[in-house]
Amino acid sequence: KAGVTQTPRYLIKTRGQQVTLSCSPISGHRSVSWYQQTPGQGLQFLFEYFSETQRNKGNFPGRFSGRQFSNSRSEMNVSTLELGDSALYLCASSLVTGHQETQYFGPGTRLLVL
Amino acid sequence: AQSVTQLGSHVSVSEGALVLLRCNYSSSVPPYLFWYVQYPNQGLQLLLKYTSAATLVKGINGFEAEFKKSETSFHLTKPSAHMSDAAEYFCAVILTGGGNKLTFGTGTQLKVEL
Repeated sequence: KAGVTQTPRYLIKTRGQQVTLSCSPISGHRSVSWYQQTPGQGLQFLFEYFSETQRNKGNFPGRFSGRQFSNSRSEMNVSTLELGDSALYLCASSLVTGHQETQYFGPGTRLLVL
Repeated sequence: AQSVTQLGSHVSVSEGALVLLRCNYSSSVPPYLFWYVQYPNQGLQLLLKYTSAATLVKGINGFEAEFKKSETSFHLTKPSAHMSDAAEYFCAVILTGGGNKLTFGTGTQLKVEL
């Protein structure tokens, strides 16, 4: 079974621009979560989507948004990019079978904001 | 409040030596606990998870972890280190009532020397 895929893998943007990252979960997985990884803040939870609805959200400004489509694929968008948004953005999918759901991660999208 | 603490941001061992990476959690209710590994320029790979079924959990690549409620610990061990084990290791927790949100420790970089 194919793993979680993320596109693009690398991205360079300038301040003020916006960016959209894509995540395709493992087949059959209906939950998609997004994380930001930076050297200074480590791994931080952005949000989680399940059945096209955001069901959990981390402490990030409104510039960070996401959505999930009916095929469970998810996108996250960052508007008005800042230098501090440079990070590795990781997507994880999980199979919703109960209240303990193991998350499987994709390779990430490395975003550099200049 | 810190939910999971990893002691030692860098650990160095000789090839063939015991690997011990420490993780403590802060929760009055046993949470769901995970260990993930991250190789350079890659996403996170699940090593093992604790789901209350057994206190000693065996994972991939010869790693195991023991859940000790009295010590609120979930340390990761491997009897004999291999050069290929060099990576960053993250302990993570899903708190009861936290939905599917993973809260990560700050990570431990494992170096394996000849």
